[in-house]
Amino acid sequence: DTGVSQDPRHKITKRGQNVTFRCDPISEHNRLYWYRQTLGQGPEFLTYFQNEAQLEKSRLLSDRFSAERPKGSFSTLEIQRTEQGDSAMYLCASSSFPQGRQETQYFGPGTRLLVL
Amino acid sequence: GIQVEQSPPDLILQEGANSTLRCNFSDSVNNLQWFHQNPWGQLINLFYIPSGTKQNGRLSATTVATERYSLLYISSSQTTDSGVYFCAVAPNRGSTLGRLYFGRGTQLTVWP
Repeated sequence: DTGVSQDPRHKITKRGQNVTFRCDPISEHNRLYWYRQTLGQGPEFLTYFQNEAQLEKSRLLSDRFSAERPKGSFSTLEIQRTEQGDSAMYLCASSSFPQGRQETQYFGPGTRLLVL
Repeated sequence: GIQVEQSPPDLILQEGANSTLRCNFSDSVNNLQWFHQNPWGQLINLFYIPSGTKQNGRLSATTVATERYSLLYISSSQTTDSGVYFCAVAPNRGSTLGRLYFGRGTQLTVWP
């Protein structure tokens, strides 16, 4: 199995611009998660999909954030009108659920966003 | 949400030393994972261990679910063990939700 991949790995943008990140999960994993990690903190949950359905969104996910998983495979996370506070590492994870009720999440390498 | 506390926040060791990292959580869980985050930010799975004990080479982990804590043991540490170790849990509320709640991590530095 190839692991979870994310693109781009780094993104520098100016405040007010829109950015879009892509995540490709491990093949046949039905769950896909997005997390955000700021310096010195652990990752925080943003949203997740089971197949193409978005099942939960964190209150961290403001109206400027939108995520999709149109065919239940890859996912995109878009941030509109970026703000400096959006600067963070955006992590994607995938899992196969249910799998004997054991759900192990596997993380991608992340996308580092810097908003100037 | 569930609270996850990790200790110590920082740990400095000399190569060859052993260490124990602790994770306390505030509610019953149906998922507990230990990760190692390398300097490039990649989270590497170490263990899936909502209960019991597992070993993988120089690493082992024990979770005592009834007492709401987990321990990660690193023996004969090497410089490549340096990085941040995270504990993450998913609360057991009888639902299928799988979001993980992370602690703030333990920053481990191993000197040669």
